[in-house]
Amino acid sequence: QQPVQSPQAVILREGEDAVINCSSSKALYSVHWYRQKHGEAPVFLMILLKGGEQKGHEKISASFNEKKQQSSLYLTASQLSYSGTYFCGTTQYNQGGKLIFGQGTELSVKP
Amino acid sequence: SQTIHQWPATLVQPVGSPLSLECTVEGTSNPNLYWYRQAAGRGLQLLFYSVGIGQISSEVPQNLSASRPQDRQFILSSKKLLLSDSGFYLCAWSALRQAANYGYTFGSGTRLTVV
Repeated sequence: QQPVQSPQAVILREGEDAVINCSSSKALYSVHWYRQKHGEAPVFLMILLKGGEQKGHEKISASFNEKKQQSSLYLTASQLSYSGTYFCGTTQYNQGGKLIFGQGTELSVKP
Repeated sequence: SQTIHQWPATLVQPVGSPLSLECTVEGTSNPNLYWYRQAAGRGLQLLFYSVGIGQISSEVPQNLSASRPQDRQFILSSKKLLLSDSGFYLCAWSALRQAANYGYTFGSGTRLTVV
């Protein structure tokens, strides 16, 4: 079942922060986050495997609450290069790593 | 290092014509392979995935099919294209035994327009 992302779109000024949420009604094994620039393929950002795990990647970090089947992506001090569509993808137990993506969140960072 | 190749980059095909898109992975063995489709302005829909040669799982019933004739080759086909088959087709791979533990790497995609 497709995870649900919110918000659908967000507009930021450079230096502002944003949070993108991803939730599922199914028990999750892992949550992936990807960023896609217009006309390009998605690029892997990070994966979270354990309940309550949090990861960081420069000014982009994420958390995963396994019990609530929710993940959040945090973008701090946004840069113009952060613009794009962010997708979460989820895998479930005993599904062979099959990744189902949310509908995406379009992030626009303005100067 | 591992690389994934996908071709052609763009394709314009008439309704009712056949389709064949190819994807190959280099630098790894026994990868999980996936085909996704993305309609304009939409999300990524999983079409097929494969955990080994000749093993194909279909996620969405439609007029498309997939084959894996070799370990690192994944082919998406159709006998007769429909207008609704237009979209951005993406091939991806991940490590086989730990597919859920590793990120996917996507090919550069094929933009298909059915006219």
